[in-house]
Amino acid sequence: SQQGEEDPQALSIQEGENATMNCSYKTSINNLQWYRQNSGRGLVHLILIRSNEREKHSGRLRVTLDTSKKSSSLLITASRAADTASYFCATDRTGGGNKLTFGTGTQLKVEL
Amino acid sequence: SQTIHQWPATLVQPVGSPLSLECTVEGTSNPNLYWYRQAAGRGLQLLFYSVGIGQISSEVPQNLSASRPQDRQFILSSKKLLLSDSGFYLCAWSSDRAVSPIYFGEGSWLTVV
Repeated sequence: SQQGEEDPQALSIQEGENATMNCSYKTSINNLQWYRQNSGRGLVHLILIRSNEREKHSGRLRVTLDTSKKSSSLLITASRAADTASYFCATDRTGGGNKLTFGTGTQLKVEL
Repeated sequence: SQTIHQWPATLVQPVGSPLSLECTVEGTSNPNLYWYRQAAGRGLQLLFYSVGIGQISSEVPQNLSASRPQDRQFILSSKKLLLSDSGFYLCAWSSDRAVSPIYFGEGSWLTVV
């Protein structure tokens, strides 16, 4: 079963706008990670946030984690056409042994 | 730097035929190794997980098996493919630290006809 569920399933924005994707999960976690997948390719790791962290930044990416609500968000600022991809959250459950469980993803389309 | 190679990239196999997908990792030792499957428009499903040679954990009951004959080699197999085995198969590795990102190969598209 899917541990993480992303929202929205699809998002279309204009270049330069910000994109926000949300992820909800069900069980307690050690950490939560976000990945990007270009169509037909492997996934690329973007950012990892531990359960005792609330916010993390990497370039134009900002991730927040609220363990009380079992939710996370990924914000991409000043989006570019090259950001067009699917974005997945993945959770490492407490005691899970680094076996990530992935959500169903958000398809982001950034239009010129 | 570490790299992961997965092959073949695409294959079309008839129902009932065998399958072998291979994956090797370079530039690291004692990695955790994973096989995931992604159905069209869906998230990833963890199939197999390995923490060392000969140590394989099967996450879901299925028509597939995995082997790890060497530290950095992971093989996904089937003796007889089913139509439902079609999908995008991804090999991945992570360090053996308790908290680590997972790094994916480029995937193998399998179509069973």
